[in-house]
Amino acid sequence: AQSVTQLDSQVPVFEEAPVELRCNYSSSVSVYLFWYVQYPNQGLQLLLKYLSGSTLVKGINGFEAEFNKSQTSFHLRKPSVHISDTAEYFCAVTPPADSNYQLIWGAGTKLIIKP
Amino acid sequence: NAGVMQNPRHLVRRRGQEARLRCSPMKGHSHVYWYRQLPEEGLKFMVYLQKENIIDESGMPKERFSAEFPKEGPSILRIQQVVRGDSAAYFCASSPRIGFEQYFGPGTRLTVT
Repeated sequence: AQSVTQLDSQVPVFEEAPVELRCNYSSSVSVYLFWYVQYPNQGLQLLLKYLSGSTLVKGINGFEAEFNKSQTSFHLRKPSVHISDTAEYFCAVTPPADSNYQLIWGAGTKLIIKP
Repeated sequence: NAGVMQNPRHLVRRRGQEARLRCSPMKGHSHVYWYRQLPEEGLKFMVYLQKENIIDESGMPKERFSAEFPKEGPSILRIQQVVRGDSAAYFCASSPRIGFEQYFGPGTRLTVT
């Protein structure tokens, strides 16, 4: 069975500093990978996705993520964060071979920006 | 193109009452997913529906919970005889076809008193 682990429940970082949010997954088959962001009291918004091709994926708001198949990771990065990036970030995977395409979610990482 | 719409945004119910949560998918989307988010937890899949069909309800509690997605109108998640443990945010997502990313609504926050 597939699972997703987000290693950090909270990541505090100073404004304008770089950040990396970690995501590891377990799967014996190939997967599609997603990062979503949830701002306070809002729904989830897709940041970026990896389906195939280049392992470095660029998303909205200056975020990017790199798919590493050997390490089964899909870490999210931003070179310089802003106060507006304060939110919770969720990593999700789905195996294309799964006919239901059910997304399997990590527990989320809260990004806390310190002024 | 309007996004996924959910109503109500906030719902308060007393124990034992029924809760009805509505989700209107994006135009052209025929796949609907319901998720529950408990405080300080991630999203938990509940049910996946296509028009008039339940495809996967493996995440749905066996009792008191039901979902439908009729040919016309929104998808409905129905919780009968609510209990305090049902208090959570319920999100609906839609996609235009299988394998596509999901677009989320703003959620319905259910509080059971």
